[in-house]
Amino acid sequence: DAMVIQNPRYQVTQFGKPVTLSCSQTLNHNVMYWYQQKSSQAPKLLFHYYDKDFNNEADTPDNFQSRRPNTSFCFLDIRSPGLGDAAMYLCATSRDERPLNTEAFFGQGTRLTVV
Amino acid sequence: AQSVTQLDSQVPVFEEAPVELRCNYSSSVSVYLFWYVQYPNQGLQLLLKYLSGSTLVKGINGFEAEFNKSQTSFHLRKPSVHISDTAEYFCAVSDRRAGNNRKLIWGLGTSLAVNP
Repeated sequence: DAMVIQNPRYQVTQFGKPVTLSCSQTLNHNVMYWYQQKSSQAPKLLFHYYDKDFNNEADTPDNFQSRRPNTSFCFLDIRSPGLGDAAMYLCATSRDERPLNTEAFFGQGTRLTVV
Repeated sequence: AQSVTQLDSQVPVFEEAPVELRCNYSSSVSVYLFWYVQYPNQGLQLLLKYLSGSTLVKGINGFEAEFNKSQTSFHLRKPSVHISDTAEYFCAVSDRRAGNNRKLIWGLGTSLAVNP
């Protein structure tokens, strides 16, 4: 039973053409994350939502935006993709509980190619 | 601030041999510790975690890890590996303190290659 679902698994977009990646979850978790992972590197956190509160990482380019219309869905918008934005994009969720436990559940990722 | 060092970027091993993947961390506060596995072209899956209590933690797929506070280490072990264990392994920590910090701090990963 898939719990964090990312669509599509593979996305090809043109240089400069806006693209949206989607993520849905059936876990009812408060927190949703977007990570960028380039080849042979650790995941890099772009931003996360705690409920509707948006938290942007200081080094996330303005080219990357996110929307969370409800608990279940979260979108990553890349306004003008460059060749350097080609990567695997990972969505993750976690439940806010006490003691704070940031175990994260990941989707299978969307591999973005920019041509 | 926290940081995570995975001492080996690549670990080749023969099938049925034991393996240890090393992880050291640096932090001025108490942390939770995690190991995640990533199979090719897949998302990450939690292998095991240390929150509190016994320092020896058992996870899925026969893996275990031991938290050593004095050495600030959380090494991952498996007594006998399978071809299917070939994957990237990431060590991560998070701040125990309650509040808005819900980030995982990641190591750079260790690529485990199990050969027949």
